Amino acid sequence: DTGVSQDPRHKITKRGQNVTFRCDPISEHNRLYWYRQTLGQGPEFLTYFQNEAQLEKSRLLSDRFSAERPKGSFSTLEIQRTEQGDSAMYLCASRPDGQNQETQYFGPGTRLLVL
Amino acid sequence: SQQGEEDPQALSIQEGENATMNCSYKTSINNLQWYRQNSGRGLVHLILIRSNEREKHSGRLRVTLDTSKKSSSLLITASRAADTASYFCATDPGNGWSGYALNFGKGTSLLVTP
Repeated sequence: DTGVSQDPRHKITKRGQNVTFRCDPISEHNRLYWYRQTLGQGPEFLTYFQNEAQLEKSRLLSDRFSAERPKGSFSTLEIQRTEQGDSAMYLCASRPDGQNQETQYFGPGTRLLVL
Repeated sequence: SQQGEEDPQALSIQEGENATMNCSYKTSINNLQWYRQNSGRGLVHLILIRSNEREKHSGRLRVTLDTSKKSSSLLITASRAADTASYFCATDPGNGWSGYALNFGKGTSLLVTP
């Protein structure tokens, strides 16, 4: 069990540029979540995958955001035409299916700074 | 919007003392979880308490849950400098919404000084 990994760990970009983040969940974890965390706040839910299906998206996920999990393993989160308000920590978490399996395992996050 | 609200927002204690953090939430839950976050890092799961449980222990951690008051507390006994971190409560609605995505509070920032 190598844990959830995220890449890159840090990203600095200019306003208007596109960025893509990657998340590799713990193997055999069917459920994958993306959260966003701004300074001084707790994480806020963005979107959720069950295997390759994206089953829920938060209102926070504007049209500039898109997420995929093409083979039900790793996931990518893309932000198009970045804005300064997108600056945040983007966290990925995974968990297995099943009852009594509610603990989510978080990756180290990708910190985005939009200049 | 964030479901939980931790109290206090910041807490400063000396090593060896106990630290108590409280969490209040608004809607019914399936379980409540506590996570720790060191500065600039990801979240580490500490403990989960289900809605039918009232108290749970794990090492130096003690968590209580009062569903009638929609509140929980996290007690860290005999604190150490390494406990310095932000602590978040997260509620799991368990109602099928968002595959049980967690609703986090704003966290309590704990500073333990030697």
